[in-house]
Amino acid sequence: NAGVTQTPKFRILKIGQSMTLQCTQDMNHNYMYWYRQDPGMGLKLIYYSVGAGITDKGEVPNGYNVSRSTTEDFPLRLELAAPSQTSVYFCASSSKQGALNQPQHFGDGTRLSIL
Amino acid sequence: AQSVTQPDIHITVSEGASLELRCNYSYGATPYLFWYVQSPGQGLQLLLKYFSGDTLVQGIKGFEAEFKRSQSSFNLRKPSVHWSDAAEYFCAVGRGANNLFFGTGTRLTVIP
Repeated sequence: NAGVTQTPKFRILKIGQSMTLQCTQDMNHNYMYWYRQDPGMGLKLIYYSVGAGITDKGEVPNGYNVSRSTTEDFPLRLELAAPSQTSVYFCASSSKQGALNQPQHFGDGTRLSIL
Repeated sequence: AQSVTQPDIHITVSEGASLELRCNYSYGATPYLFWYVQSPGQGLQLLLKYFSGDTLVQGIKGFEAEFKRSQSSFNLRKPSVHWSDAAEYFCAVGRGANNLFFGTGTRLTVIP
């Protein structure tokens, strides 16, 4: 049972570099989410998607972009990395029967440091 | 505005002792409430959830939580803590159609 898979697990970037955080799920879930978790804080929603081809902003979308070309994949892109984006990033998914009526399945996270 | 407050940043309990983690919410409608656990280096795992009905909900790993509308609380409890319960615990409230608003978490340390 793979569930939600995130790659890479760790990454160090220089200021101004770009990168894509990968997320894939094998549960045929329509709903997918990207969160960031800063030290001592709860998770904050960056972007979410309710299905292939549909994305929307969450609470903290600035500096990020997403795409959803398939049901399985929901990559998160940082175009110009900034120190404020140093965080742990979590991808999550929920079943198509209603996001709040189903538990969200989380990946193990990507720890990103911007230096 | 909707919010979730977990007033205890860090709690230490002895193995075998009972546990209660506090969560207070502010929400204009009937809330959807969740408790998640996060072990070090891992993602979140859902412990339990409340949408409606019986205000005492049972979850996995022997946890339970009670919804008290009059106190705007959704406290997590366990009668006897195990060393493996040491982790970070997050309370969350459903906000909007596709969003969970998380509290800042409570770190649980279990001592032998």
